[in-house]
Amino acid sequence: QSVLTQPPSVSAAPGETVTISCSGSSSNIGSNYVSWYQQLPGTAPKLLMYENNNRPSGIPDRFSGSKSGTSATLRITGLQTGDEADYYCGTWDNSLSAHWVFGGGTKLTVL
Amino acid sequence: QMQLVESGGGVAQPGRSLRLSCAASGFPFSTYGMHWVRQAPGKGLEWVAFIGYEESNKKYVDSVKGRFTISRDNSKNTLYVEMNSLTVEDTAVYFCATDGAHRDIDNWGQGTLVTVSS
Repeated sequence: QSVLTQPPSVSAAPGETVTISCSGSSSNIGSNYVSWYQQLPGTAPKLLMYENNNRPSGIPDRFSGSKSGTSATLRITGLQTGDEADYYCGTWDNSLSAHWVFGGGTKLTVL
Repeated sequence: QMQLVESGGGVAQPGRSLRLSCAASGFPFSTYGMHWVRQAPGKGLEWVAFIGYEESNKKYVDSVKGRFTISRDNSKNTLYVEMNSLTVEDTAVYFCATDGAHRDIDNWGQGTLVTVSS
């Protein structure tokens, strides 16, 4: 059971838009920046979004992020087959001793 | 460019120990905090441990506290995790990664597989 809650799967057709939610609490998302990670099949995770809504160099602007209260959202527009991957949200959690937490991951299928 | 290469994975029996290494290059290793993150077969990411650029700052997930020890040798640009009292639940690919400037985990190695089995 992950501290951050994500839907296990989402799907959409090429060209469409999909959103992936990440729900937490006041000790994690509510008080820290959220980052998002993309893991293509058989590869290591890659940083996709940092500080809630900032893209590292090389990440297309089809990817965007937002945060409100204790939830965060990743939005992908103009879906491409190459976007098919697992997506994870993550942040620090300040409860008791500080530690990092990930969401359970969301499998994106591009139909 | 920044590179992280994990090694030391393999098969270990329950209760035994294993030490993983992560060789860093292409960046000033001694100024970066570092993480270990693992992924059990077919499962999601699980954060394991963090060490600050100063070795005094260490954090662990509850499930490995008292069993795993994260450390670093800045003279060798290498990150370690010593894993003791291994259980089958520790079976996973272990990734090392850098602590980013924006409260994120920004660069990842390719991982090394640890299998705990009798």
